[in-house]
Amino acid sequence: AQSVAQPEDQVNVAEGNPLTVKCTYSVSGNPYLFWYVQYPNRGLQFLLKYITGDNLVKGSYGFEAEFNKSQTSFHLKKPSALVSDSALYFCAVRDLTSGTYKYIFGTGTRLKVLA
Amino acid sequence: EAGVVQSPRYKIIEKKQPVAFWCNPISGHNTLYWYLQNLGQGPELLIRYENEEAVDDSQLPKDRFSAERLKGVDSTLKIQPAELGDSAVYLCASSLHSSTDTQYFGPGTRLTVL
Repeated sequence: AQSVAQPEDQVNVAEGNPLTVKCTYSVSGNPYLFWYVQYPNRGLQFLLKYITGDNLVKGSYGFEAEFNKSQTSFHLKKPSALVSDSALYFCAVRDLTSGTYKYIFGTGTRLKVLA
Repeated sequence: EAGVVQSPRYKIIEKKQPVAFWCNPISGHNTLYWYLQNLGQGPELLIRYENEEAVDDSQLPKDRFSAERLKGVDSTLKIQPAELGDSAVYLCASSLHSSTDTQYFGPGTRLTVL
């Protein structure tokens, strides 16, 4: 079965420091991977996706993610964190095996950027 | 370009009452999804529409939940009767097509069942 894991419930980082939010996946076949961010009382906002091609994917708001096939990881990164980046981040994998194309989401990681 | 619109944003009802949520997807998006998000969890798919056809409703509790997308645009999700455990955020998302396209989410409806 397809799945994603976000091993950290919360990540704290100082403003201006680099940040990493971890995601590992388990899929049959090639993975379609996504990162979304959710601010309080808001829906999920698309950040970036990996379908194929370069392992380093650049997305919105200065975020990027690195696809690592050998480690089955897709960690979200940003070189310099902003207080406004504080939010809930979800990693997701597209389920291509059942024909539903549904997203399977991780449990989320709360990022707190401290001023 | 307008995003996915959902209403109401918040709804409080007593158990056993009916409730309905409305979603208007991004213009031109053929695929529409309803997700359930419990507190502290990621969203879980309830149903997916391709135009007006429900192509995946395997996770929809059909004894009390129903959905429709009559003209292949707007969609309504209904719960009748609501139970305490239905308290959650109901998210609607849309995409151009279902295969590899990115899903775009609405703000959600937060349901509280008392």
